[in-house]
Amino acid sequence: SYVLTQPPSVSVAPGQTARITCGGNNIGTNSVHWYQQKPGQAPVLVVYGGSDRPSGIPERFSGSNSGSTATLTISRVEAGDEADYYCQVWDIRTDHYVFGDGTKVTV
Amino acid sequence: QVQLVESGGGVVQPGRSLRLSCAASGFTFSNYGMHWVRQAPGKGLDWVTVISYDGSNKYYVDSVKGRFTISRDNSKNTLYLQMHSLRAEDTAVYYCARAEEYRSSSMYFDLWGRGTLVTVSS
Repeated sequence: SYVLTQPPSVSVAPGQTARITCGGNNIGTNSVHWYQQKPGQAPVLVVYGGSDRPSGIPERFSGSNSGSTATLTISRVEAGDEADYYCQVWDIRTDHYVFGDGTKVTV
Repeated sequence: QVQLVESGGGVVQPGRSLRLSCAASGFTFSNYGMHWVRQAPGKGLDWVTVISYDGSNKYYVDSVKGRFTISRDNSKNTLYLQMHSLRAEDTAVYYCARAEEYRSSSMYFDLWGRGTLVTVSS
């Protein structure tokens, strides 16, 4: 089955830039979606299709995808961005949906 | 108000059954594929199953195949997950999620419920 690899944790100072990677075989050919999950809450979509943002998501959240790595970038990090972040793709071979293991962002 | 509200979770003994429900409101439920995603305590998100907008197609992760059944009643705007032969490893918060298609090549989850906790324990 398709595997997505994320770093367990990323630490960033307020006002700096956080970059969260998501690795997978030829992931650059996939549409990658990103979710933010704060403790005790449901996940929230923050980026879809690799680089598009749902309404209400700040421009500070952006995404990119090429080769074997997709990246979620959070600019001008705020304390409220502290959360777990998950990448997700659709595995066309199995019609299953795959999540990365998640990255805990500490501000 | 656009929302999904899960119910039906609780404590159940290994080998027993449980049925979860997810009530949708604020949008045309019958237009969307719907999913169940679960999260074991302290762990990440795991996709469980999907049902197409009309109920004609269903897919399951291997670990629940043959034990779980997803269904929907579009007249009641409700999604279901019937779970049989429950195991300790099925213990998790179960979220229902609405799926949105992306450029006919992928799907993402744009609306989530708050989840319902299922604990399988003797």
